[in-house]
Amino acid sequence: QSVLTQPPSVSGAPGQRVTISCTGSRSNIGAGFDVHWYQQLPRKAPKLLIYENNNRPSGVPDRFSGSKSGTSASLAITGLQTEDEADYYCQSYDTTLSSWVFGGGTELTVL
Amino acid sequence: EVQLVESGGGLVQPGGSLRLSCAASGFTFSSYWMSWVRQAAGRGLEWVANTKEDGSEKYYADSVKGRFTISRDNANNTLYLEMNNLGAEDTAVYYCARDLRDSRSPGVDEWGQGTQVTVSS
Repeated sequence: QSVLTQPPSVSGAPGQRVTISCTGSRSNIGAGFDVHWYQQLPRKAPKLLIYENNNRPSGVPDRFSGSKSGTSASLAITGLQTEDEADYYCQSYDTTLSSWVFGGGTELTVL
Repeated sequence: EVQLVESGGGLVQPGGSLRLSCAASGFTFSSYWMSWVRQAAGRGLEWVANTKEDGSEKYYADSVKGRFTISRDNANNTLYLEMNNLGAEDTAVYYCARDLRDSRSPGVDEWGQGTQVTVSS
């Protein structure tokens, strides 16, 4: 299993708000390392969605936001749209493993 | 526009070798750390390796340490991944990626389209 834990799937209706959690430990998120989030549309390469916990790269809608607290982080998506259907991954760094670590990914379904 | 174009993937027998290349354009390649990240079919993302701007530092995931070598040619804006002693567990799409610059924690801000590596007899 992944070092960072994400729910395998979440769903919501168009226009609704969903959150995706990313739970780590004291050797990664809890050690102060930032969390980045990536969106992977079906059959596409991943794309940076949120960097350093809560920053959006240019071009990412403000419907996407991130937060971090303690050993966990969250991605929130408001005003769900059908084009948001994708897999979402959190990523950080683990000081014990001396390695980048990813969450297992969360599949978002827009009902 | 940033472009990262991988090549060199294919079918290789267990125990074999393969060299991936990534041609970078649209940015000053020599000013960025670069990474390889892989994804097995239906699975999540796994960081493989990264290298400093000038190639003087290289880091690897434990799963590939001693078998894979990351390198770069800044004169030709190209990143490489030499893969030896390949096993079925190395079967994946391999993405070339540009590391976040001046970030407090490592991550990626640009990705290539990926190249498929299949290890099978």
